[in-house]
Amino acid sequence: DSGVTQTPKHLITATGQRVTLRCSPRSGDLSVYWYQQSLDQGLQFLIQYYNGEERAKGNILERFSAQQFPDLHSELNLSSLELGDSALYFCASSVGMGTGLYEQYFGPGTRLTVT
Amino acid sequence: DQQVKQNSPSLSVQEGRISILNCDYTNSMFDYFLWYKKYPAEGPTFLISISSIKDKNEDGRFTVFLNKSAKHLSLHIVPSQPGDSAVYFCAALRETSGSRLTFGEGTQLTVNP
Repeated sequence: DSGVTQTPKHLITATGQRVTLRCSPRSGDLSVYWYQQSLDQGLQFLIQYYNGEERAKGNILERFSAQQFPDLHSELNLSSLELGDSALYFCASSVGMGTGLYEQYFGPGTRLTVT
Repeated sequence: DQQVKQNSPSLSVQEGRISILNCDYTNSMFDYFLWYKKYPAEGPTFLISISSIKDKNEDGRFTVFLNKSAKHLSLHIVPSQPGDSAVYFCAALRETSGSRLTFGEGTQLTVNP
């Protein structure tokens, strides 16, 4: 158990809909990362938050957005869903920037199926 | 552009022998490297890491070697156990770029009893 929790575990929805994925980081971790794993793309970095602020963006679509709240939990919002958005979405957390500790600890993931 | 590559999609070894998983990278700005293990329906689990100022790091049965001039790293598992059967990902980051991980495609390791 990494200490990172994600809900829901599974999500099935229709094209055009909007969903919210939730992540709670390990206790004490200030950085939260979102990754997408699809069959043909491997694990791709989407976005990072550090202590409530966006710090880095990767291959995140404009239809996707995220935020980190004062209690450090994070939400990833996916809107106008398309079939190609079906994937595993992982959240990871780490101690934070400037600490020399770069290991990221992953949650169990949310499997999103868009029909 | 695949900056981190694991050229072997699969590897099969006998229990008790050494498993060697390989990883190559193209971006010379990467300065920290990590290995993760992933079982089906679970998130990646951190195994071991190495900074670019070192060429070897050991943790129990796991050793990571880094050859910066060749832009190559490898993970050695000795002795291999059936419970090690999983997909192994190498990942790399630039310490100055927010710690985002760039992953390889993964290698499926199967350890046969």
